[in-house]
Amino acid sequence: IVLTQSPGTLSLSPGGTATLSCRASLTVIRNRLAWYQQKPGQAPRLLIDGASSRAAGVPDRFSGRGSETDFTLIISSLEPEDSALYYCQQYGSSLWTFGQGTKVEIK
Amino acid sequence: QVQLMQSGAEVKKPGSSLSVSCKASGGSFNNISIAWVRQAPGQGPEWMGRITPFFSVPTYAHKFLARLTITADKSTSTVSMELTSLKSDDTAVYYCAKTGELREMTTRYHGMDVWGQGTTVTVTS
Repeated sequence: IVLTQSPGTLSLSPGGTATLSCRASLTVIRNRLAWYQQKPGQAPRLLIDGASSRAAGVPDRFSGRGSETDFTLIISSLEPEDSALYYCQQYGSSLWTFGQGTKVEIK
Repeated sequence: QVQLMQSGAEVKKPGSSLSVSCKASGGSFNNISIAWVRQAPGQGPEWMGRITPFFSVPTYAHKFLARLTITADKSTSTVSMELTSLKSDDTAVYYCAKTGELREMTTRYHGMDVWGQGTTVTVTS
């Protein structure tokens, strides 16, 4: 399954809302889709699992929605610390894949 | 809470083999599933394969089928990966990550919620 993320880059202001898209080439079985945040020099951090469940310790400013082939990560009340790369990943098929990422810049 | 500790950085020559280990602590090694993910400089993460130590039957991404071996040693709570016939574009940070739990004799997969610290691998002549 190929995951296509858009846009490539988002430049937003603090307090705003970021909407990130992840589209799958085939249906993601049981909505087994995760979202990760990655900052320079760090491992990815799990934000959202199962398309819409926040991982432990993740602020409720982060939310996920979607099903089948269309998934969205929404980050509300943006803070400067939200500047990062964001990746989606599917684990519904036997062979797993990541999207190519969306860069979020908070200026 | 499971923690994952990886082996140290490696510098390898083209054509050689790479071995990276991932030792789990703080939880039941037999009851988890571990994935290997790599990330080349400036690129996104790339899933390589996974294994549930209880079953020790790995699954590999097609790209790595001919060159990758993932094993689990229950006696040391360690998952290892070996990548052969290294090329310069295997230069990357290699991560292990927890990606599931064993329940009722079935691996229940989830997003990768615990990551190792990463192992930097440089392939250069």
